[in-house]
Amino acid sequence: NAGVMQNPRHLVRRRGQEARLRCSPMKGHSHVYWYRQLPEEGLKFMVYLQKENIIDESGMPKERFSAEFPKEGPSILRIQQVVRGDSAAYFCASSPPRLAGDHNEQFFGPGTRLTVL
Amino acid sequence: DQQVKQNSPSLSVQEGRISILNCDYTNSMFDYFLWYKKYPAEGPTFLISISSIKDKNEDGRFTVFLNKSAKHLSLHIVPSQPGDSAVYFCAASRDSNYQLIWGAGTKLIIKP
Repeated sequence: NAGVMQNPRHLVRRRGQEARLRCSPMKGHSHVYWYRQLPEEGLKFMVYLQKENIIDESGMPKERFSAEFPKEGPSILRIQQVVRGDSAAYFCASSPPRLAGDHNEQFFGPGTRLTVL
Repeated sequence: DQQVKQNSPSLSVQEGRISILNCDYTNSMFDYFLWYKKYPAEGPTFLISISSIKDKNEDGRFTVFLNKSAKHLSLHIVPSQPGDSAVYFCAASRDSNYQLIWGAGTKLIIKP
């Protein structure tokens, strides 16, 4: 049973370009979360998605950032017109369907390290 | 405002001894706490969790203690092994919320 897959593992972009980060959740998981980690800091929640729905994007910058989780295919985190401050590790996590009142463990992918030149 | 704090950036422990990693939180609404372990160039891996209705949870060499009055939790690893060398993150959530609030991590180094 493959774990959470993320690609690419490393991505280099010049300022102003677009970055597309992909995440395939674990089999049977319908919930996807994106986190960002800056150097020497903990992970910061960005967005929570279910298939074809954004449930909570309160942690995502209002501009330039978007996320989707289509019916078919991986979840995509898209950063338009990247700036140097976007350089970070971006982690995707997935979990199975949650029951009300249940705390589900989140399983993490290996991350995508984005470097903006 | 950092709601989850891990005040020790690093900790060095002799192999075979006990490792104690600490975590403090400020939000009394948090009701679920987790510890994750992270190796370089990998994603965090879930280790152990505890609900606020408990004060201790044990899983093999790993035990998490929760002191709600002090808003403090700790992870004990005994005996420590070389493979335990990693960064350990404390995370918290509230009201069955999916959002995990993370500490900055503590780098644990196990010396042979």
